[in-house]
Amino acid sequence: AQSVTQLDSQVPVFEEAPVELRCNYSSSVSVYLFWYVQYPNQGLQLLLKYLSGSTLVKGINGFEAEFNKSQTSFHLRKPSVHISDTAEYFCAVSALRGGQNFVFGPGTRLSVLP
Amino acid sequence: GAGVSQSPSNKVTEKGKDVELRCDPISGHTALYWYRQSLGQGLEFLIYFQGNSAPDKSGLPSDRFSAERTGGSVSTLTIQRTQQEDSAVYLCASSFRGLTEAFFGQGTRLTVV
Repeated sequence: AQSVTQLDSQVPVFEEAPVELRCNYSSSVSVYLFWYVQYPNQGLQLLLKYLSGSTLVKGINGFEAEFNKSQTSFHLRKPSVHISDTAEYFCAVSALRGGQNFVFGPGTRLSVLP
Repeated sequence: GAGVSQSPSNKVTEKGKDVELRCDPISGHTALYWYRQSLGQGLEFLIYFQGNSAPDKSGLPSDRFSAERTGGSVSTLTIQRTQQEDSAVYLCASSFRGLTEAFFGQGTRLTVV
């Protein structure tokens, strides 16, 4: 079974500042990793994913994440945030061999302040 | 269709009534998931269908909740004798054999009054 931890439930940051949202996972098998974003009153949208290959993955809206297998982490970063990045961010994993459920973290609410 | 479609988008029901929520996944996606998101909370896994395999029902909170998937496509989540604590947004997602990302619908907002 897999589990996902997002240590920061809320992250306030000023506009144009950098941000890092932390995600750690636990799994007995290799996994795929995902970050989803949920804007207010909207559904979940895929931000980026790690399936294989380069451990640094780039997503939409200037976000990137780095897969660190030894630390079982997949932290999300953006060098300069905008007011429009205010949203809930969810980290998720699924087993590499497929056929299993996606497991989501509890989410981190990013609030970008002017 | 182009994306995951859920209906209705909003449902208000009286306590004790039964409700059915529908999910139409992306064509060709064999994996289908139901999640529940209460106000300001994360995603709570409910049930997972993968092809013709027996569904993973481990997340269903009580025997009032059930789901089926007909013909490997459309899924219906049924909540019997609804309670106020069932009020939430119910999200459906699908993926290609569980090997890629999950694509989410816009959800059904259920309010039990």
